[in-house]
Parts: sequence; structure tokens; C-alpha cells
Amino acid sequence: DIQMTQSPASLSASLEEIVTITCQASQDIGNWLAWYQQKPGKSPQLLIYGATSLADGVPSRFSGSRSGTQYSLKISRLQVEDPGIYYCLQGYSAPYTFGAGTKLELK
Amino acid sequence: EVQLVESGGGLVQPGRSLKLSCVASGFTFSNYGMNWIRQAPGKGLEWVAYISSGSSYIYYAETVKGRFTISRDNAKNTLYLQMTSLRSEDTALYYCARYLQRVMDAWGQGASVTVSS
Repeated sequence: DIQMTQSPASLSASLEEIVTITCQASQDIGNWLAWYQQKPGKSPQLLIYGATSLADGVPSRFSGSRSGTQYSLKISRLQVEDPGIYYCLQGYSAPYTFGAGTKLELK
Repeated sequence: EVQLVESGGGLVQPGRSLKLSCVASGFTFSNYGMNWIRQAPGKGLEWVAYISSGSSYIYYAETVKGRFTISRDNAKNTLYLQMTSLRSEDTALYYCARYLQRVMDAWGQGASVTVSS
């Protein structure tokens, strides 16, 4: 099974700050990596698919990148509505696996 | 608008069975693979099962293999998850999610399953 190691587990950042979350895949998954945001009591919302493509309606301050088997989600200027839990997902092969999540809070 | 509405959750004793449903609308259900994903209270997301558009391909997480069965009725735009031999560790919010380009691009609001005596 493919393991997704996500870091950090939590972080606190200020408004307008740049935030980066990473996921390390245990093997090559190509660009089959997605990022989700989940707010309390809500279902996850797709932010990024194909490692770098922005999902419909997602603000352009969110971006995804890939370097080998390491994937990153960047929020260029943190906004008040961005706190939540962020998850990566590998869709390369079943069993599909999520990262453990990153809890993002406002400082 | 894409909508996925789960139902069938509830409180069930260990060892018993439960069947979840997910009714889809706003898209051509028969063209898409579908997944079940669960989230235990206060925990992260765990993929449970996948079924292809025509039910030819079905995959399960090892944690549920042999106990859960995913199925679909394209005529009724409905996805199912039959859960048997339930355990306390199956307690979770169960989401159905549409599968597109190897991502789950649309999710339901979830159905709560509690396994307890």
C-alpha cells in the first residue's frame, strides 16, 4: 500500500502569511495527488487535483506543486476563512490513502 | 448542481448489519465511479471502498474486506454499502463521493454509524 506522510500535523499562522503543507508519498504516484480542506461539521472540499490544478471555485491563493514524490500545498496569503484541516489523497492506486491531516489555525 | 445524499445510518450492536444508501442527482450517475470514505470521531479520513461506473471493478480497504459490500443501481442513481459483522471501530461518519480523474471531487454530507452495545 502507498503511504502518505503529511506534515506538519498542525500549524498556526497569521493573516496574510504564506503557509505550506507537504505530503510525501512512499512511492511514485505521478501527478495523482489531491488536496482537500475540511471545516468543522462539513464534508471535505476539493482544492487541488492532479497535483497542481485548481478545482473550480477555489481562490487562486491556493496552489499545488510537486517535486519527485513530495507534494506541497501553498496558501499564498492566509485569509480568515482558511483555517480548517487539510488532507492530501493519493488516487494513483487502490487502496487510496489520505495523509493524516494538517490542522491550520489563525494566530 | 451535483448532490449526494447518504442515509441509513444509526446505532447498531456489535456483530449486526447495516446498509447505507447514497442517492445522486445533478449528474449522470452511471458515468462515474463512486467511493465510500469514513471518518471516525475526531479522526482523519479513511477510504473504504470503490466501485466503477458499470460495477466491473470493486476495491476494498483491508479493514473492511469480507465484511462490507459496495454496490450500485444505476437505474435508481443510488450507491450502497452493506456492512456486516460490525465492530466498534467501524463507528464513523460515512461519506459517499464521486470519482473523477482519480480524485473524489464531490462528497455527500455523511451518514453517522455508531456500533455499540
